[in-house]
Amino acid sequence: QQQVKQSPQSLIVQKGGIPIINCAYENTAFDYFPWYQQFPGKGPALLIAIRPDVSEKKEGRFTISFNKSAKQFSLHIMDSQPGDSATYFCAACFSGNTPLVFGKGTRLSVIA
Amino acid sequence: DAGVIQSPRHEVTEMGQEVTLRCKPISGHNSLFWYRQTMMRGLELLIYFNNNVPIDDSGMPEDRFSAKMPNASFSTLKIQPSEPRDSAVYFCASRLNTGELFFGEGSRLTVL
Repeated sequence: QQQVKQSPQSLIVQKGGIPIINCAYENTAFDYFPWYQQFPGKGPALLIAIRPDVSEKKEGRFTISFNKSAKQFSLHIMDSQPGDSATYFCAACFSGNTPLVFGKGTRLSVIA
Repeated sequence: DAGVIQSPRHEVTEMGQEVTLRCKPISGHNSLFWYRQTMMRGLELLIYFNNNVPIDDSGMPEDRFSAKMPNASFSTLKIQPSEPRDSAVYFCASRLNTGELFFGEGSRLTVL
């Protein structure tokens, strides 16, 4: 019940494409769903997050889509750039001071 | 502002040796987390502290692992004795209450 399942494991897209990374969770008590971005040799950093009271959130070229009934959420990157090449992690937790549970990550490569 | 500071950044040691990883959280943050990252298992939570008190250490692999937080500005993760399967990147992260989780740059451990 604590798992967050992320797919695909890796993804290669052309510059300008729209990579989509998917996550699924089982614990219906989860109510905070962030995405983290990690560059090689660095720690993960918060990219964008959503709560289940909305179905979509956009920040710049990054969009989270959230489907509460399906217990799924996804990250879309519009007009992807080579600088977006990184590993992306979805995560979830429930309100209060509880730890984030992370997916296993998706390694994204954006090629020019 | 200084972020989460971890040391050492890289550690190479031989099997059986004691390893101590250190973390200085962001000043004012009251929760601290230790995660381990491997290709196979992604980001795994090892232990977390609230207000310097260990709350959940169920992710600690075995008794060879221990963690302490003697004060609000310092934490250690110790492995004794170390084994090759402990090779991974260990991340420390901190946050204030339910705010954004900030990661350090990690300590890459190689056990030969």
